Amino acid sequence: NAGVTQTPKFQVLKTGQSMTLQCAQDMNHNSMYWYRQDPGMGLRLIYYSASEGTTDKGEVPNGYNVSRLNKREFSLRLESAAPSQTSVYFCASSEWGRQETQYFGPGTRLLVL
Amino acid sequence: AQTVTQSQPEMSVQEAETVTLSCTYDTSESDYYLFWYKQPPSRQMILVIRQEAYKQQNATENRFSVNFQKAAKSFSLKISDSQLGDAAMYFCAYRSGPSIGNEKLTFGTGTRLTIIP
Repeated sequence: NAGVTQTPKFQVLKTGQSMTLQCAQDMNHNSMYWYRQDPGMGLRLIYYSASEGTTDKGEVPNGYNVSRLNKREFSLRLESAAPSQTSVYFCASSEWGRQETQYFGPGTRLLVL
Repeated sequence: AQTVTQSQPEMSVQEAETVTLSCTYDTSESDYYLFWYKQPPSRQMILVIRQEAYKQQNATENRFSVNFQKAAKSFSLKISDSQLGDAAMYFCAYRSGPSIGNEKLTFGTGTRLTIIP
């Protein structure tokens, strides 16, 4: 049981390049999330998906797009990377419900030059 | 919108001693959840403890306990008998209670805890 997996672990991009961060979970969770973590800022929500086929903006969505491909997978796309998007990106998932906890992936470290 | 504040960027404690990390939050909701997450150097986010706002009893998990003061909107984490493996960043987080499919978290900025041998 792998939990939440993310690929790649580390990526270097040049300004203006595009890339997609992949996330998959094997816990049959309905909800999935993308956060970014910057020094001194904690984790901030970029987008989330409450179920397959739905997505909603979080606190910092500008410059990103997401796709909930199926129940397992939730990808984050940077269409034209900027240095301000240098960060560590975390994917998380949870089941619906009052008692449910979010489970996090190991993170993707992205450097935009 | 809810906000979470951790006013201690760094804390240190002697091994085997007790340390308390502070967290305050701002919300107009009455139904919500609070969490403490640990992030060691591996960057993995690990749930330490959770508290339901409707419960008056403070949550405990082995050496970890919280002091939840709902009226004061305060949620501190106490670590007893500190161990070297407790060294990490600790994040306080808030989640709204009732919304299905809306279990997103709002995080504080974190406290880096150092354990002195």
